[in-house]
Amino acid sequence: KNEVEQSPQNLTAQEGEFITINCSYSVGISALHWLQQHPGGGIVSLFMLSSGKKKHGRLIATINIQEKHSSLHITASHPRDSAVYICAVNSGGGADGLTFGKGTHLIIQP
Amino acid sequence: DVKVTQSSRYLVKRTGEKVFLECVQDMDHENMFWYRQDPGLGLRLIYFSYDVKMKEKGDIPEGYSVSREKKERFSLILESASTNQTSMYLCASSPIRADYSPLHFGNGTRLTVT
Repeated sequence: KNEVEQSPQNLTAQEGEFITINCSYSVGISALHWLQQHPGGGIVSLFMLSSGKKKHGRLIATINIQEKHSSLHITASHPRDSAVYICAVNSGGGADGLTFGKGTHLIIQP
Repeated sequence: DVKVTQSSRYLVKRTGEKVFLECVQDMDHENMFWYRQDPGLGLRLIYFSYDVKMKEKGDIPEGYSVSREKKERFSLILESASTNQTSMYLCASSPIRADYSPLHFGNGTRLTVT
C-alpha cells in the first residue's frame, strides 16, 4: 500500500506570501490529486495530475514522477486560502485505490 | 456542475441506535464512496460501489453496511452506533474511469454518538 506523507502539517503565513506544500509517496502511481477542505467540511478537487505541471489562477501543482514527489504552490496568498490541503494518490485499479495524506492546515493571516 | 448532497450536516445519535447517512449525486456517476475523516488519521475508505446493488469493502468496513438501490443514491448504515463511530463522514462520487477523473465530495456529515 502506498504511503503518502505531506509537509508541513501546519503552516501559518502572512497575506501575500508564496506558499509551498509538499507531498511524497512511496509507490508508483497513475494519478495524484490535490484537494482543498474549508472549515465546515466540504472537499473540493483542485488538481489531478500524472505528469508535469498544472496551473489554475494563483494555484500551481507540479509532480516529479521519478522522485515520487509533488508540490502545491499558492502565489500571492490571501486569507481565503486558509484551509486544509490534502494530497491523494491513485496507485491504479480504480478510485478505490486512492490513498490520502493527513493534510496540511494552512492559515493566512491578514 | 456535479452536486453531491449529503442529507445532514450534523447528527447526534445515542449508542445502539441504527443510523442512516444518505448521499445523492446528480451526474450519473457509476462510482460512489463513503469515507470517514478523523484528526491525525486523514480520510479512510469505508465502502464503495461501482454500480447499482454492488458494494465493496474499503479499509475500515467493520460496524458499517451500505445500500445502493438506485444509481444516484448511496446510503451508509451504522447498524448499532457506538461512540467510536463519532466522526466526520464524507460521501464522494466519480465517473467510471476514475483514474482520469477527480472525485466530487459532499459537504460531510458530522456524526456524534453519545
